[in-house]
Amino acid sequence: QVQLNQWGAGPLKPSETLSLTCAVYSASFSRYYWSWIRQPPGKGLEWIGEVNYSGSTDYNTSLESRVTISVDTSKNHVSLKLTSVTAADTAVYYCARVAALGSSGWYFDYWGQGTLVTVTS
Amino acid sequence: QSVLTQPPSVSGAPGQRVTISCAGTISNIGTGYDVHWYQQLPGTAPKLLIYGSTERPSGVSDRFSGSKSGTSASLAISGLQAEDEGDYYCQSYDNGLSGSIFGGGTKLTVL
Repeated sequence: QVQLNQWGAGPLKPSETLSLTCAVYSASFSRYYWSWIRQPPGKGLEWIGEVNYSGSTDYNTSLESRVTISVDTSKNHVSLKLTSVTAADTAVYYCARVAALGSSGWYFDYWGQGTLVTVTS
Repeated sequence: QSVLTQPPSVSGAPGQRVTISCAGTISNIGTGYDVHWYQQLPGTAPKLLIYGSTERPSGVSDRFSGSKSGTSASLAISGLQAEDEGDYYCQSYDNGLSGSIFGGGTKLTVL
């Protein structure tokens, strides 16, 4: 069984740094990539990026300059930091497990409960 | 503007069959990347519905089926039930963007 439990601070003011953590309860933590995905209120899903057990990352190019995703292997935690936030970063943020299909791409098979982060002055 | 294009809404009566399309390009679905579908019920996290374009995870009803052809994919829902109301998203990988992409989502209304 796989469970993802996430938390983080909010609300934030413009220019502050968003910080979220996702605790992964899974015996196979080291075998997968772990992603962050966000959803602005009333809008669709946007992939933010991913990290694996060894700390290798991939980011959405539109957010790459402001995003850091990291892993704490001693706690099975995955963290997201997004700097210089604006109102446009207001969203529900989800962590999710990445399931790979080799050259056919990948999908997200387990999701956290979501954390609403509001950016307001 | 999402890279994958879905209709904003579809509707159907209980018991009917509806389909939701997901149009991509040669840099994503047309390259051969699979399409995956998620169901998001009101106030909840997305749930994986179809992976690998046609496969259902364990526990997902066989009323849900997926297909892919060329640069597009479809999700079919048969025997519509009131509990199916929610938002549906397609997802794939894009070579040009080097990352995962989602459709804009389709709101399903059961009349």
